[in-house]
Amino acid sequence: KAGVTQTPRYLIKTRGQQVTLSCSPISGHRSVSWYQQTPGQGLQFLFEYFSETQRNKGNFPGRFSGRQFSNSRSEMNVSTLELGDSALYLCASSLGERVGGYTFGSGTRLTVV
Amino acid sequence: KNQVEQSPQSLIILEGKNCTLQCNYTVSPFSNLRWYKQDTGRGPVSLTIMTFSENTKSNGRYTATLDADTKQSSLHITASQLSDSASYICVVSSGGSYIPTFGRGTSLIVHP
Repeated sequence: KAGVTQTPRYLIKTRGQQVTLSCSPISGHRSVSWYQQTPGQGLQFLFEYFSETQRNKGNFPGRFSGRQFSNSRSEMNVSTLELGDSALYLCASSLGERVGGYTFGSGTRLTVV
Repeated sequence: KNQVEQSPQSLIILEGKNCTLQCNYTVSPFSNLRWYKQDTGRGPVSLTIMTFSENTKSNGRYTATLDADTKQSSLHITASQLSDSASYICVVSSGGSYIPTFGRGTSLIVHP
């Protein structure tokens, strides 16, 4: 079966712009979570959506937001981009159990110039 | 503050050798601990998931242990292969919120 698909794969944006990243989960998975990975901070949890509702949120500013659609696809939006937002953004999907397995996508590499 | 510390930061071994990676955490309350393998430029791939009651979990040549009393975990790799070269990340989720805290990872290089 198809894995977790993230689009686009690479993105270059200018400081101050906004960006939307997309994540299509594995068929049947109802949970999608988002992560930021940088060389300086490593992997950090952004938020998780389950059945179109945000179930958990990490410690990121309000410029980072997300949503989930009825087909479980999810989008993440970052407004007023800063240079420090340059990172690999990963999403993962799961069936939704709290201790279940997560499958990660290959990520979107965002560069802010 | 919840923290996950991994050691060593990097490790170089010869193909065929065994190695052990360490993970210490202060996450409380504890829900589960996961080990992931991440190849360069790819998303992490789950190796093992352990809850409080489990102290050993194997996945092929990978064996993870968990000591919930000392809040330590290890990942043992047996008979290493070149394809084991990757970053290994320990992730601990807290009980209640289930928010994950990530370690910085151990970069493993396997030389022929």
